[in-house]
Amino acid sequence: DVKVTQSSRYLVKRTGEKVFLECVQDMDHENMFWYRQDPGLGLRLIYFSYDVKMKEKGDIPEGYSVSREKKERFSLILESASTNQTSMYLCASRSTTIGGREDQYFGPGTRLTVL
Amino acid sequence: QKEVEQDPGPLSVPEGAIVSLNCTYSNSAFQYFMWYRQYSRKGPELLMYTYSSGNKEDGRFTAQVDKSSKYISLFIRDSQPSDSATYLCAMKWETSGSRLTFGEGTQLTVNP
Repeated sequence: DVKVTQSSRYLVKRTGEKVFLECVQDMDHENMFWYRQDPGLGLRLIYFSYDVKMKEKGDIPEGYSVSREKKERFSLILESASTNQTSMYLCASRSTTIGGREDQYFGPGTRLTVL
Repeated sequence: QKEVEQDPGPLSVPEGAIVSLNCTYSNSAFQYFMWYRQYSRKGPELLMYTYSSGNKEDGRFTAQVDKSSKYISLFIRDSQPSDSATYLCAMKWETSGSRLTFGEGTQLTVNP
């Protein structure tokens, strides 16, 4: 069974702090993703990574950076947290199956509150 | 205007009802269509996947794609309280690689 784990379920940080969100998958997937989920806005892609050390901006990358040093781990970094980054953060990984089937597997999410 | 529109609900139905969930989209290049189910305090999980137009059935679930109308649907027959969740539609086009575009999600409650 594919497992995507995220380092924290709930996190409370102060404005201006540097925040690290960690995601680990155990299925040797090449692709990994970071989303945020907000009421009324749905799931929005922040960054994704095709492979180790490769990253691409999603739809809302401002204020975020990412790191993928190992295949199984994808980190999201908030350089200087702000209150508008209070959200649910979801990590996902994807198997690159033939035919383009989109088997994105999601972690349980991290509820981040920035005070 | 959002690329994918989905009524957020909430939708409340009695057990055994047929549920219809829908999304409309504006980008005619979308080719792959998915439905994800998200239980409270969990991440989404893939429920149904279809390519291009047509129907796909899996147990009590049927996914329908009408590309001419840019409209997709998910039908749940004989709905159960365990179907209570948020349902998100997602789609992508051929050259979008791994990127998906999600709808906002519809919150469904099935009452015993």
